[in-house]
Order: sequence, then C-alpha cells, then structure tokens
Amino acid sequence: EVQLVESGGGLVQPGGSLRLSCAASGFTFSSYEMNWVRQAPGKGLEWVSIISSSGSTIYYADSVKGRFTISRDNAKNSLHLQMNSLRAEDTAVYYCVRDPSWNTVNLDYWGQGTLVTVSS
Amino acid sequence: QSVLTQPPSVSAAPGQKVTISCSGSSSNIGNNYVSWYQQVPGTAPKLLIYDNNKRPSGIPDRFSGSKSGTSATLGITGLQTGDEADYYCGTWDSSLSVVVFGGGTKLTVL
Repeated sequence: EVQLVESGGGLVQPGGSLRLSCAASGFTFSSYEMNWVRQAPGKGLEWVSIISSSGSTIYYADSVKGRFTISRDNAKNSLHLQMNSLRAEDTAVYYCVRDPSWNTVNLDYWGQGTLVTVSS
Repeated sequence: QSVLTQPPSVSAAPGQKVTISCSGSSSNIGNNYVSWYQQVPGTAPKLLIYDNNKRPSGIPDRFSGSKSGTSATLGITGLQTGDEADYYCGTWDSSLSVVVFGGGTKLTVL
C-alpha cells in the first residue's frame, strides 16, 4: 500500500525557517517524481515544487523561488522541503504528492498533509 | 488569480449529470494532458482523471474527462450526495515550467 506521511509542520514566526519531511513507503520511491502542493485555509490548491526521480531536475513556483528548497534521499525513501524566510502567506497545509511521470501532471497519491502556520 | 479558470460552483439534483469546465491556454491545456482531483472537505485531494480522460482503478465510470483545444471538462453522471466536494483541474504549463491548478469548483448535490 502506497503511503506518504508528512511531518515537520508547526507554528513559526515570520522570517523563520522550517523543514518538512515526507516518508514514503509501499512503492519504489526512486522511480517517481515528487511534488509539494499546499493549500491555505479556505483556499484552493497551490503547487509549490517538483523534483525528478533522480533529483537532477527541480522546479519551483514563483511564490517560493529563492526561499524554499526541495530535496530527496532515495536511499531513505524521503522527500524534504526546506522553507526559509517564511511569510504569513506561506500558512497552509503542505501535501507530499507522488507523480508517476515527468511529462504529465498525474498526482496519484497524496499524503495527509502537515499544517504550517506563520504568525507572530 | 489561477492560471486555469473554473466556475466557482455548480449544483444539480441527485441522479442528474453535471459538467465542470476548465479553461486555459496553449501553453498549458492546449499542449499538455489534464488531470482532475476531488477533495472532500477536511481530506486530501484524490486523483479522479488523468491524461485528459483516463480513470485510475477504483474510480467509477460515472466520472469522465475530455479536452478540446485549450479547455477541458469533467463530467459526473448519476450524481450522489457523496459527490459533494471541491473539484480541481491541473496540468503542466510549458511556458512557465510549473504545475498549474484551477481555482476549484464546489459541487453541491441538491
């Protein structure tokens, strides 16, 4: 059974940092592209970042470029999101999401999400 | 302001059919596959349709997808109260090199 379990969310002050992690199991992690998608309270889905299966190709949304860093450890079946210079508008539930193919958007498995709250 | 445009809400009676539109441009829908997601409030989104019109295993054939030009459509037939949820379209934008979503459509089954 495919499982994606996020951790690392919490309350952080504006300008602070947080590192999210996603533990993957039930599939060959190193064969899949991985994404972070977030959802602010009461709002729609917003894509954050994608990393290729090997980690060699990465893209970011403009809203987080230069502040967030996505990474993966295929040996440990884990995905990470380092978030720096956090702003109030980064407050959201962050989902770890699997994508079987690079050339299409096919987000087939989602974690349960971890809540990040940026507030003083 | 989302790159892909969806109606904020749609509604229909149980047993009826509803369609949800998703409008984009040549850099996204026009040249890439579209997927659709269902999100029941308080839960994570679930993949409903991928590659414009394919259903993952376990998704009933009451759900269908189509694409024409720079627009895509999600169709749901035989509406059930359990179908009440938010629905999102998504695709790759080749010009921006980002994943883009629609703003979401709230389905109410009256």
